[in-house]
Amino acid sequence: EAQVTQNPRYLITVTGKKLTVTCSQNMNHEYMSWYRQDPGLGLRQIYYSMNVEVTDKGDVPEGYKVSRKEKRNFPLILESPSPNQTSLYFCASRWGGTGGYNEQFFGPGTRLTVL
Amino acid sequence: GENVEQHPSTLSVQEGDSAVIKCTYSDSASNYFPWYKQELGKRPQLIIDIRSNVGEKKDQRIAVTLNKTAKHFSLHITETQPEDSAVYFCAPRDNQGGKLIFGQGTELSVKP
Repeated sequence: EAQVTQNPRYLITVTGKKLTVTCSQNMNHEYMSWYRQDPGLGLRQIYYSMNVEVTDKGDVPEGYKVSRKEKRNFPLILESPSPNQTSLYFCASRWGGTGGYNEQFFGPGTRLTVL
Repeated sequence: GENVEQHPSTLSVQEGDSAVIKCTYSDSASNYFPWYKQELGKRPQLIIDIRSNVGEKKDQRIAVTLNKTAKHFSLHITETQPEDSAVYFCAPRDNQGGKLIFGQGTELSVKP
């Protein structure tokens, strides 16, 4: 089944404790992206990747890191989480590294709480 | 920077009525115009999209219209049903499609 998976789905952690949220897709998509969703603010892009080893900042990259060593994986790293990073996170992928009018497929979401 | 605005932010209609949501964008390079639907507790999913060489596209009860000159596109839902209740997002993008800005979302409530 074609899908985007994220782990963990739920996470409660404490300020400053490094964490990684994994994202994997099995559709051989070039493009992958991370978003956070907060009430009243919609979906805001954190980082995106057009292909392996190519990443770039979205609208709200502060406090986050990403890497794209393999085509299928795009982990989101919070080196020192803070309470303002409490949010619902979505990973997404689509076909077409540059251009391509293709829909994004979203993962199921990761609800993160930072105490 | 690029700006994307959706209106209204909330919309309540009676079952069977029509609903229209408008998305206004500022980037003149935008040439792909999708609408996503997010049901409560679920992930966003594409419901309809349009490219800039087309003015209107219809898929059963939903349609998207594009006015590229005025830089806006709209989602039209006819004969609304309770299962149309969700948050709808627009996300116009250009040919590169790297950096993306979503509209802030429209919460549609369809009352039986």
